[in-house]
Amino acid sequence: EAGVAQSPRYKIIEKRQSVAFWCNPISGHATLYWYQQILGQGPKLLIQFQNNGVVDDSQLPKDRFSAERLKGVDSTLKIQPAKLEDSAVYLCASSLGLAETDTQYFGPGTRLTVL
Amino acid sequence: AQSVTQLDSHVSVSEGTPVLLRCNYSSSYSPSLFWYVQHPNKGLQLLLKYTSAATLVKGINGFEAEFKKSETSFHLTKPSAHMSDAAEYFCVVSPGGGNKLTFGTGTQLKVEL
Repeated sequence: EAGVAQSPRYKIIEKRQSVAFWCNPISGHATLYWYQQILGQGPKLLIQFQNNGVVDDSQLPKDRFSAERLKGVDSTLKIQPAKLEDSAVYLCASSLGLAETDTQYFGPGTRLTVL
Repeated sequence: AQSVTQLDSHVSVSEGTPVLLRCNYSSSYSPSLFWYVQHPNKGLQLLLKYTSAATLVKGINGFEAEFKKSETSFHLTKPSAHMSDAAEYFCVVSPGGGNKLTFGTGTQLKVEL
């Protein structure tokens, strides 16, 4: 079974530039998550989708971050404009659904460096 | 509100000796608890999870954890460390009945010869 795919794996940009990350979840998984992992910290949930609808985006800095999952499969996370403090690994995860027994499976992440 | 505290940021053991990674949790509800492992340049992998069934949970690669409500703890153990166990380990909590994960700050496990 193919896992969660993410691209690119690494990205270096200058502050005030824009950047986008792509995620392809495990086939059949209705729920998709984006996490931010700052160096030395645990991942923090940014946004959670159920099919193409947003379940929770309370931790997403909406003035600069946006995410979409238009067809309920792939998802894109965008940062515009980027700040130095956005340097982190951005992790995508997926699960069958929202039940507590539905395990979240994580992709390898995209490491973003903002200069 | 829910949270987890990982009591050690770094743990170093010799190969073949026991591993103990400590985690305390705080939750208003009966929580689900997890341990995830993160190897360098790889995605997070689920080691084991507790969801209100048996309090002693067995996971992959010989790891296990015991849910102790009286101590609000969920420590991860392994009888004998292997070099391949060197990685970062995260204790994670979610509210009972849901799957919104809150991660601890991680424990870096080093295994020496």
